[in-house]
Amino acid sequence: DARVTQTPRHKVTEMGQEVTMRCQPILGHNTVFWYRQTMMQGLELLAYFRNRAPLDDSGMPKDRFSAEMPDATLATLKIQPSEPRDSAVYFCASGPTTGGEETQYFGPGTRLLVL
Amino acid sequence: AQSVTQLGSHVSVSEGALVLLRCNYSSSVPPYLFWYVQYPNQGLQLLLKYTTGATLVKGINGFEAEFKKSETSFHLTKPSAHMSDAAEYFCAVNGGTSYGKLTFGQGTILTVHP
Repeated sequence: DARVTQTPRHKVTEMGQEVTMRCQPILGHNTVFWYRQTMMQGLELLAYFRNRAPLDDSGMPKDRFSAEMPDATLATLKIQPSEPRDSAVYFCASGPTTGGEETQYFGPGTRLLVL
Repeated sequence: AQSVTQLGSHVSVSEGALVLLRCNYSSSVPPYLFWYVQYPNQGLQLLLKYTTGATLVKGINGFEAEFKKSETSFHLTKPSAHMSDAAEYFCAVNGGTSYGKLTFGQGTILTVHP
């Protein structure tokens, strides 16, 4: 049963520290999405990639967030420096080549707390 | 532009009662519509989706949804609620503005009482 995996599952850090979240998409999926979920804002799309190239990162604060896909099996989301307002659950999702109707498969999330 | 409105952030039903979760969308092109479910401390998983063809779509766990273009709605129903249905439900739309990019509603938390 193929699944999207995310590490770490939980992260507690202090303000100003760098945070790196990792995602392994389902093998064969060429589209990867990063979402952030908070009580106040709900589910927000931060960035997404197709064939490892960024297609849209307009939802991401550019000054502190960065997203990359070093290879087809790894996507990373970095926050540097982290701030308390970054506390949220971060989800990675992957999907096959999109015409728009394809299902996105979500990982279990990284729960981030910035003190 | 595309958007989704879920009416009711919380819905409470008794076990065995009808479940109705409302979703209205806005899209400038024929949309693809999705319902996802999120159980506590888990990621989202697909319940069902409408792409083309039959407007009544059946999904997992006995859920179904009907695409009504004239009402721009995609409401989710289940005839008889089960305790295990307690979760948060998200409606999402892809209106073709960016392939694969979904716009999610704010979510509806479903509570099921014994």
